[in-house]
Amino acid sequence: DQQVKQNSPSLSVQEGRISILNCDYTNSMFDYFLWYKKYPAEGPTFLISISSIKDKNEDGRFTVFLNKSAKHLSLHIVPSQPGDSAVYFCAASGTTFGNEKLTFGTGTRLTIIP
Amino acid sequence: GAVVSQHPSWVICKSGTSVKIECRSLDFQATTMFWYRQFPKQSLMLMATSNEGSKATYEQGVEKDKFLINHASLTLSTLTVTSAHPEDSSFYICSARRDSNQPQHFGDGTRLSIL
Repeated sequence: DQQVKQNSPSLSVQEGRISILNCDYTNSMFDYFLWYKKYPAEGPTFLISISSIKDKNEDGRFTVFLNKSAKHLSLHIVPSQPGDSAVYFCAASGTTFGNEKLTFGTGTRLTIIP
Repeated sequence: GAVVSQHPSWVICKSGTSVKIECRSLDFQATTMFWYRQFPKQSLMLMATSNEGSKATYEQGVEKDKFLINHASLTLSTLTVTSAHPEDSSFYICSARRDSNQPQHFGDGTRLSIL
């Protein structure tokens, strides 16, 4: 039972345009959501997070939007840069700050086209 | 800050041997470390939660006698895959958190191949 789903395994975006990565979840007990970025042969790197009490969190070029009623979150990257090419994982936690068990999606491979 | 080092990055061994993987937090003390496993084309799945000085908490379906976890210090946790078999071949990755107000930071993972 995949509680966190990333339905797009891959996405290609032109450099300078906006990249939108989507994530859906089924467990209404999830309270905190995180995005991780992963390069080949490296571990995931924490990118940005959002608490369920918010609907938006912004950090530089990265913005995460949360729609609790739809159980959907998205990561917006603008403008997209070649260095953003990586696999992006959405993760959810039932506790504040995601400091306990994380449930991951299967990832979306983002390719930025120069 | 928040660097997590995992060693080895890649190991190939014969069926029946035991393999130890180390996870170290290099620039912070981690009261809790986590061990995940990822099979091809699947998401990272939590195997166990390791608290310093106490027994690890294993997720359902994970054999604690097969996957031995030791968290003897605030900077080191080890995962030992005992009597490994080909079906244990996977990508194992650890994470650590500085405190209860910080997200988890991940190591680079260990690719385990059992022949």
